[in-house]
Amino acid sequence: ETGVTQSPTHLIKTRGQQVTLRCSSQSGHNTVSWYQQALGQGPQFIFQYYREEENGRGNFPPRFSGLQFPNYSSELNVNALELDDSALYLCASSLGRAVGYNEQFFGPGTRLTVL
Amino acid sequence: AQKVTQAQTEISVVEKEDVTLDCVYETRDTTYYLFWYKQPPSGELVFLIRRNSFDEQNEISGRYSWNFQKSTSSFNFTITASQVVDSAVYFCALGGGSGGGADGLTFGKGTHLIIQP
Repeated sequence: ETGVTQSPTHLIKTRGQQVTLRCSSQSGHNTVSWYQQALGQGPQFIFQYYREEENGRGNFPPRFSGLQFPNYSSELNVNALELDDSALYLCASSLGRAVGYNEQFFGPGTRLTVL
Repeated sequence: AQKVTQAQTEISVVEKEDVTLDCVYETRDTTYYLFWYKQPPSGELVFLIRRNSFDEQNEISGRYSWNFQKSTSSFNFTITASQVVDSAVYFCALGGGSGGGADGLTFGKGTHLIIQP
């Protein structure tokens, strides 16, 4: 059974640029969630996708957007990068649309640095 | 709004000591789930336990045990006979809510546990 993978591992961007982060779900999982974890903080929920549709979103602006593909892999896109976007971005997969109820399997994260 | 408080930012103990990590939560929902995750230096969160709001039974898994008390809105985690490999950041999280579980998890800020040999 393949676990959750994320790419790239590290990324450096400058303010105002756009970035795309990628996530492959654990086999058989149909829900993907994305979290932002600033240094020294707990993860914060960005949004989740269930069967290719966004069905839950945290308190993040529209410049944070995403996609889920038919194979349940996912992308997180961030436009107009700001310095505060520097963080570890975690992807998690689970089975079923209610991620708040279910065990989630997390990837190792992508460390984004915005200069 | 949901909130999770982990008041202990960092705990340092000597190997083989018992240690308890505190977690206090706030929610207006009657149906919710509580979780503990471990984050080693590699970064990925590792699931430890899930508890629903209707099950207040304590749980023990090897050296790990959890104490859920709705009366005090707490879900504390105890490691017995700690080992160096237990060193990590531990997060308590709350899920559920009016969004039918589609609101993701609300995490605390985490407790950095250091086990000294």
